[in-house]
Amino acid sequence: ETGVTQTPRHLVMGMTNKKSLKCEQHLGHNAMYWYKQSAKKPLELMFVYNFKEQTENNSVPSRFSPECPNSSHLFLHLHTLQPEDSALYLCASSARPADTQYFGPGTRLTVL
Amino acid sequence: DQQVKQNSPSLSVQEGRISILNCDYTNSMFDYFLWYKKYPAEGPTFLISISSIKDKNEDGRFTVFLNKSAKHLSLHIVPSQPGDSAVYFCAARISSGSARQLTFGSGTQLTVLP
Repeated sequence: ETGVTQTPRHLVMGMTNKKSLKCEQHLGHNAMYWYKQSAKKPLELMFVYNFKEQTENNSVPSRFSPECPNSSHLFLHLHTLQPEDSALYLCASSARPADTQYFGPGTRLTVL
Repeated sequence: DQQVKQNSPSLSVQEGRISILNCDYTNSMFDYFLWYKKYPAEGPTFLISISSIKDKNEDGRFTVFLNKSAKHLSLHIVPSQPGDSAVYFCAARISSGSARQLTFGSGTQLTVLP
């Protein structure tokens, strides 16, 4: 397994469900990121972790809860989402926060 | 307010010709710029970058030009190939201080016609 992997690749959930997105990087990087990509919009940075510590939270609603147990794994816990949260959620990693980021394939989330 | 703008949502080019993708930015503190390429059902992949101390960087068929006075950069692909058809994202960052995150544009869909 190489690069950045994300599971699941597709997720459909109701507004009352609780689900989690998982990201794993096999690159030995120390920084990890969650992005949201909505149709026709720029990638929006959600969270940044560096050495397992959260360093950025770009005014993300509390219904999105990140977790970084170690430098290789990053989770995004979802609860009571809204239909407008439907989007592609991308995970990325880099050696350091200022370095080139490498992206996973994303999780396509649909909230009904 | 978008600090990185890609004003053309789509571009079609004939195979073998040059593709020029444009990107404008508003924050004069950006000092490093990147282009990413994204195929459907995949994450963006890093393509090429340029530091603000340069005005050109070339890698094979891909060349990025930076015009700091105009706050404009462009990606040239020559010759264009059908496999280049993808969404291209421009990104910028400030390399020092706490704001070292990437700011992305909204992307340009390039279609290379055979």
